[in-house]
Amino acid sequence: DGGITQSPKYLFRKEGQNVTLSCEQNLNHDAMYWYRQDPGQGLRLIYYSQIVNDFQKGDIAEGYSVSREKKESFPLTVTSAQKNPTAFYLCASSWDTFSGNTIYFGEGSWLTVV
Amino acid sequence: EDKVVQSPLSLVVHEGDTVTLNCSYEVTNFRSLLWYKQEKKAPTFLFMLTSSGIEKKSGRLSSILDKKELFSILNITATQTGDSAVYLCAVDARRAQKLVFGQGTRLTINP
Repeated sequence: DGGITQSPKYLFRKEGQNVTLSCEQNLNHDAMYWYRQDPGQGLRLIYYSQIVNDFQKGDIAEGYSVSREKKESFPLTVTSAQKNPTAFYLCASSWDTFSGNTIYFGEGSWLTVV
Repeated sequence: EDKVVQSPLSLVVHEGDTVTLNCSYEVTNFRSLLWYKQEKKAPTFLFMLTSSGIEKKSGRLSSILDKKELFSILNITATQTGDSAVYLCAVDARRAQKLVFGQGTRLTINP
């Protein structure tokens, strides 16, 4: 089945450690995105990529890094520089930036820093 | 700066009630407004609105856009416990090349 796969679904991290969240899509989409969601807040854009080997900072990129070496993959690294990393992270993809209702979301990854 | 504001942030009603969720926006080069429902994980698409005054309906849900006053409403009639979710409003601004989301409205339907 076509879709977006995020892993892991749940992750615990000690303070000071980097962690990488995986996002893979087999929809042949050019554009991919990472959003963060905190309680009481909507989705905030961390990074997005319009095409392979290119990515742009979103609204809250500090403390995060990404890569886009392959069309189907857009991993997100939460570095130790991110002050409040505990959150729900959503990966998404679309044909381009932007096709409105044709954005597809993954199931999300819960990151907890202990 | 592009901005999307939803209200209320939280709403608790009884099954069978009708609810109205609000979304106002300030964006440059508006292209469309979208509503999503998020139950536990991935948001699922509900509506995309591009033109003022044209109501979109899907079962008990309906939505309309007012481009002059820069807002949209999402109505749910005869609510059911399965409607309990966070409802997200997002605006597609042509210049921004990304969706701008509101904070979401957490809707709880009590039996």
